[in-house]
Parts: sequence; C-alpha cells; structure tokens
Amino acid sequence: EDQVTQSPEALRLQEGESSSLNCSYTVSGLRGLFWYRQDPGKGPEFLFTLYSAGEEKEKERLKATLTKKESFLHITAPKPEDSATYLCAVQGSGATNKLIFGTGTLLAVQP
Amino acid sequence: NAGVMQNPRHLVRRRGQEARLRCSPMKGHSHVYWYRQLPEEGLKFMVYLQKENIIDESGMPKERFSAEFPKEGPSILRIQQVVRGDSAAYFCASTRGANEQFFGPGTRLTVL
Repeated sequence: EDQVTQSPEALRLQEGESSSLNCSYTVSGLRGLFWYRQDPGKGPEFLFTLYSAGEEKEKERLKATLTKKESFLHITAPKPEDSATYLCAVQGSGATNKLIFGTGTLLAVQP
Repeated sequence: NAGVMQNPRHLVRRRGQEARLRCSPMKGHSHVYWYRQLPEEGLKFMVYLQKENIIDESGMPKERFSAEFPKEGPSILRIQQVVRGDSAAYFCASTRGANEQFFGPGTRLTVL
C-alpha cells in the first residue's frame, strides 16, 4: 500500500535558522512527488514536483530533493512568512492520478 | 486567470440534511479531484472525475456520498443524510491531465 510519512510533525525555528523537513515514502512505481504549502483555513498551494531520484528544485528559500526512499525540503534562512504546514504527496503508477498525502510538518518561524 | 473556485466556503448542516459542495476547475482543466481533510489528519483522496465520467471513486464512502462533473457547470460533491463524522474540510483540485494538481480554498462543512 502506498504510504507517506513526514517528520517532524512540528518544527520551530528562529528567523535565519536553516533546517530540513523529511518525507519518506513507499509507492509502487513513483510517477511524481509533490510538495505543497498550506496556510490555516486555506487550500494547499503547489510548490514543487520531483520525478526521479537525484532531482532537485529550488524556489526562493526552499529547495526540494529526491532519493529513491525519501524527499527533503530544505529551508534556508527562513522568515516568519515561511510559517505554514508543508505537505508531501506521492502519485503512484496506475490509471488513477490520485495523490497520497502525508500528515504534514507544521513550521513556525519566530522573528 | 482565476484559480480553482469552491463554494460555499462554509456550510452548516443538521444531522440528516443534504450537503452540496461545488467546484469550478481552473480554465482549461478538465480533470477534477475531491479530497477530504479531517481534523488532525492528512488529506485523503475521495474521487477523480473527468467531464461526465467518474474515473476513480476508490476513496468515496460506499453510502451517502456521490460526485458528478457534468458537461456544463461545476463539479458537485453530494453528501446525503449527513452525520457528525462528515464534518471536515473538503478540497477540490484540478489539472489538465496527470500533472500538478491545483487546489481550491475548500469548503468547511460543520454538521450539528
């Protein structure tokens, strides 16, 4: 069964303190791994798609990397506005395009 | 370029009533997905639709829940005879195909 586990559940950082969020997955035939950001009371906002091991993508202070078993979301010199829940999801092989989500990492960046 | 639109944003129903949630996909998108987010839980897939077709409903409860995406108009998620356990945030996402899914703001259903 396809499964996604995110850690830690919650992370508190000081402004400027870099760190990484982890997403471990098991899936039969990975077609894509997705990172989203979700603010309270809002829908998930798309950040990145990674397709194969070794791939990396960057956007402002965020960088996502992928191996055969996990993905990391690196946050460099975070700011308070980076505070949100970060969600990881995988899309497996098969006719359906459904996403399997982890429960997320709640990030709080203190000024 | 409007994103995915959902309405209502908040919906309150009493036990036994019906709830209808609407989703208009992004312009040019013909694939719609519905997910449910229960308190303290992750997003769970419910159903995947293309125009006039249900492609995958493996995440839909067998009873009381139905979904459609007609040729004209928004996609509708319908919950009959709601119970307290149906209280959750329901999100719709759309894509052109098997690509990134873009989510709407959600409908927060509260069952009294």
